[in-house]
Amino acid sequence: GAVVSQHPSRVICKSGTSVKIECRSLDFQATTMFWYRQFPKQSLMLMATSNEGSKATYEQGVEKDKFLINHASLTLSTLTVTSAHPEDSSFYICSGQVQETQYFGPGTRLLVL
Amino acid sequence: GENVEQHPSTLSVQEGDSAVIKCTYSDSASNYFPWYKQELGKGPQLIIDIRSNVGEKKDQRIAVTLNKTAKHFSLHITETQPEDSAVYFCAARFQGAQKLVFGQGTRLTINP
Repeated sequence: GAVVSQHPSRVICKSGTSVKIECRSLDFQATTMFWYRQFPKQSLMLMATSNEGSKATYEQGVEKDKFLINHASLTLSTLTVTSAHPEDSSFYICSGQVQETQYFGPGTRLLVL
Repeated sequence: GENVEQHPSTLSVQEGDSAVIKCTYSDSASNYFPWYKQELGKGPQLIIDIRSNVGEKKDQRIAVTLNKTAKHFSLHITETQPEDSAVYFCAARFQGAQKLVFGQGTRLTINP
């Protein structure tokens, strides 16, 4: 149980375009979802906390207008990287929380050319 | 502020030996401590967790110990196997917070 999926698993886009990443909890309802980014050989960096039906809470230094998060239902959250630039290239991972445990998705590798 | 320190950053052990990874946290009111295993190119996978009202928890070859007084917790892997090779992250949830604060990670290599 407690499976989280992400789509797409890998995306390549041109600089200036927007990219949407979906995060779904497949067998549980997640009132809270989290979005992280991870650079090579580094730890997980929390970007934002998303509660279903309310606005996301962004961590300090994360631009909310650039990284748009929508948590429209108890099983779906989306992250949209707007006007992507090469420095946005990274591994993006979501997690869904049930009770106090976070279960992670498989990640989405974004490459901006 | 909220901080989790993890050591060592890399660890290499012979197959069959034990591996120990240690973490310390800054907030004495922290109440939840999970451990995650991350294989290359994949998302982290929860392997074991412990709550502040428990001192030790075991699951087959994996165990976690918590010392609340010293504010540290450790992951113990016994009878290591090649498939245990991965990056391991500890984390802590500070009281009143939803988010987890992660350690820097330990790259564990099991040598055949």
